[in-house]
Amino acid sequence: GQQVMQIPQYQHVQEGEDFTTYCNSSTTLSNIQWYKQRPGGHPVFLIQLVKSGEVKKQKRLTFQFGEAKKNSSLHITATQTTDVGTYFCAGVSSNDYKLSFGAGTTVTVRA
Amino acid sequence: GAGVSQSPRYKVAKRGQDVALRCDPISGHVSLFWYQQALGQGPEFLTYFQNEAQLDKSGLPSDRFFAERPEGSVSTLKIQRTQQEDSAVYLCASSLGLAVSDTQYFGPGTRLTVL
Repeated sequence: GQQVMQIPQYQHVQEGEDFTTYCNSSTTLSNIQWYKQRPGGHPVFLIQLVKSGEVKKQKRLTFQFGEAKKNSSLHITATQTTDVGTYFCAGVSSNDYKLSFGAGTTVTVRA
Repeated sequence: GAGVSQSPRYKVAKRGQDVALRCDPISGHVSLFWYQQALGQGPEFLTYFQNEAQLDKSGLPSDRFFAERPEGSVSTLKIQRTQQEDSAVYLCASSLGLAVSDTQYFGPGTRLTVL
């Protein structure tokens, strides 16, 4: 079945620095979604990417979908303490319809 | 309007007990999903409803797990004869339409601990 992997598992960032988290799928995806889960909270939808090579920005967050639609990345610039949490990517395979979540990247920020 | 709600928020069960977890989706949402989230992992798909029809239950770990949505609104996930490996957070999500690409809105989850 489809597998979605995320790296790194943990990201410790100095406030103000940039970082990137990566998501890779074993199969071609029809779309990929990103969620953020704060400590003790539930996943909250951030964005969906559908097109090959698509890039979307939300303030300091930049999301990218790979040309082959098998990988994605989330880049955060000028990290703030409000960015703390776990970021999940979730993909929908081209021959399926279910969301498969990665294990997430847990971000902590040093002030 | 109100988001997805789940009850109870926390449940402690002794091994072998039956539990029932409730999900109230956003009003009017056609699709409803149940996920299981183990500590340090992403949510894992359990089952999917479109209105009252359970279209996919391929993610249910065993026949001890049963879900229903009889009137196409509230859903209940039942776990019979709970085992320690059932300990996890159970998340419910709903979406407005039929496409899995629709935005899914997650509830706060029920944290189940089986002793």
